[in-house]
Amino acid sequence: AIQMTQSPSSLSASVGDSVTITCRASQGISTALAWYQQKAGQAPKLLIYDASTLERGVSSRFSGSGSGTDFTLTIRSLESEDFATYYCQQFNRYPMTFGQGTRLEMK
Amino acid sequence: QLQESGPGLVKPSETLSLTCTVSDGSISHSNYYWGWIRQPPGKGLEWIASIYHSGSAYYNPSVQGRVTISVDTSNNRFSLKLNSVTAADTAVYFCARLDYYYDKGFDIWGRGTLVTVSA
Repeated sequence: AIQMTQSPSSLSASVGDSVTITCRASQGISTALAWYQQKAGQAPKLLIYDASTLERGVSSRFSGSGSGTDFTLTIRSLESEDFATYYCQQFNRYPMTFGQGTRLEMK
Repeated sequence: QLQESGPGLVKPSETLSLTCTVSDGSISHSNYYWGWIRQPPGKGLEWIASIYHSGSAYYNPSVQGRVTISVDTSNNRFSLKLNSVTAADTAVYFCARLDYYYDKGFDIWGRGTLVTVSA
């Protein structure tokens, strides 16, 4: 199975900051990568797919990049609603696998 | 919309059975697979299985041999059965739509249902 490794595991930031989360695949996955946001007690929400395409209705403050094995999710001008846990997921090959998550906390 | 249903408590060694009902769209739409993902309390996400309306299915090797996913196109729903459960299967179980046509990943999710394995 393809392993997805996110870094950091947790991150503290303030409203207005910009942050970047990294996701590394154990083998190349082209751009078959999605990013999700999950708030406590809720289902994950799709933010980015195909590594860099913003899902409809998602704020343009979110952006994704990368291909092959290295990917990033950047959130600029953090707002209070952005503090949540973020997951990457590869769907290039079965079994589909998720990163372990990055918890974004308010400083 | 997707809605999970099923027992919230299952005894060890028994079978966990969940159903996901799809509303506002056809489960037979050619663009989509349908899947189950679980999340143990306080932990990350694990994909379990996915199925196409034709019945073509994929399983995570971590549960393969214990899991069956099925689809009921007449009633616009799909189901998960996981047998020989243990406490390690305690989790919130989500059903979700996989848009494979546009390589979107899971774009619509149910709210999730907590299943506890306990005697």
